[in-house]
Amino acid sequence: EVQLLESGGGLVQPGGSLRLSCAASAFTFTSYAMSWVRQAPGKGLEWVSAISASGSDTYYADSVRGRFTISRDDSRNTLYLQMNSLRAEDTAVYYCAKDFPQPPNYWGQGTLVTVSS
Amino acid sequence: EIVMTQSPATLSVSPGERATLSCRASQSVSNNLAWYQQRPGQAPRLLIYSASARATGIPARFSGSGSGTEFTLTISSLQSEDFAVYYCQHYNNWPYTFGQGTKLEIK
Repeated sequence: EVQLLESGGGLVQPGGSLRLSCAASAFTFTSYAMSWVRQAPGKGLEWVSAISASGSDTYYADSVRGRFTISRDDSRNTLYLQMNSLRAEDTAVYYCAKDFPQPPNYWGQGTLVTVSS
Repeated sequence: EIVMTQSPATLSVSPGERATLSCRASQSVSNNLAWYQQRPGQAPRLLIYSASARATGIPARFSGSGSGTEFTLTISSLQSEDFAVYYCQHYNNWPYTFGQGTKLEIK
């Protein structure tokens, strides 16, 4: 069964950094593009970033471009999201999702990032 | 950026009845439209892709229709587990965007 397990969330001060990880299993990781989607508390969904299967193409929402970096380590079957210059409005549950540009059929359980002083 | 607008924001329906949810795109997205269900505390679950194709394991009571800018998700006979929030999302071009959601509640 496909599994996506996010980690790395937590409390960080404004202007700080955090790196999220998503460990993937039970599918051929190298064959799939991957995405990060977030959801602020009590709010809707926002597609944050995506990366192609090869890692050569990356996509960012305007709200995070220049501050967030998506990457993948195929040797570890792991997706990353490096988040710098964090703001209060980045507070959200961050979901890792399998597939792009097709709509993801598999999602992780999410990891909560709280940006607050 | 394409803006997705869902209506209504909240829909109250009795179990066993039909629910019809709407989604409008600010410009054409062809049939590159997906629907998700999200229950409290859970990740989104893909229901429909390509506007009308059911995802794996999705019951036949869920159906999608539309193309261009107007889309509909219909749940033919509501079960207790169907009361949740539903989101539409386009994937016609980057950035992909979601609607603000329709909360389907028990009447």
